[in-house]
Amino acid sequence: KAGVTQTPRYLIKTRGQQVTLSCSPISGHRSVSWYQQTPGQGLQFLFEYFSETQRNKGNFPGRFSGRQFSNSRSEMNVSTLELGDSALYLCASSGTGFSQETQYFGPGTRLLVL
Amino acid sequence: QQPVQSPQAVILREGEDAVINCSSSKALYSVHWYRQKHGEAPIFLMILLKGGEQKGHDKISASFNEKKQQSSLYLTASQLSYSGTYFCGLSNDYKLSFGAGTTVTVRA
Repeated sequence: KAGVTQTPRYLIKTRGQQVTLSCSPISGHRSVSWYQQTPGQGLQFLFEYFSETQRNKGNFPGRFSGRQFSNSRSEMNVSTLELGDSALYLCASSGTGFSQETQYFGPGTRLLVL
Repeated sequence: QQPVQSPQAVILREGEDAVINCSSSKALYSVHWYRQKHGEAPIFLMILLKGGEQKGHDKISASFNEKKQQSSLYLTASQLSYSGTYFCGLSNDYKLSFGAGTTVTVRA
């Protein structure tokens, strides 16, 4: 089975721009979660989607948004980029997102905001 | 709420053992353990469910103590490949809350 894929892998943007990141889950998985990883804050939960519905959201400003499509692929968008948004953005997929399931991580998108 | 991991870092020689602890102020339903090597995605190690069970993955095992709201990861007879940052994650309401991580360095 192919793993979780994320595109693009690397991205450089300037302050004020917006960015869209994409995540394709493992085939058959319907839950997709997004995380932001920075050296200072560690792995922080952004949001989780299941069947095109957001079921939970972390403590991030409204500039961070996401969506999920009917094929379970997910995108996250960050508008009005700030320097502090520079991070590794990871998505993870699982079958249904329940606590007893393994979440499988993609390789991440490394975003640099200048 | 984020779980608390300890220690923050540990340096081992090959063959030595180590324990990483993960504790929570909230009731635990399941604990997930991941290892991440520099520049790579976190790799799943194991899940422990409510019930105090112990699991193993090669010479890495873990326990889950509901009463103490704590999980411990045991690295036995460490190998060079065990180097990386270990994260525990607490699952609740469709999200994983991760600890700050424990960096393990295994030296020859």
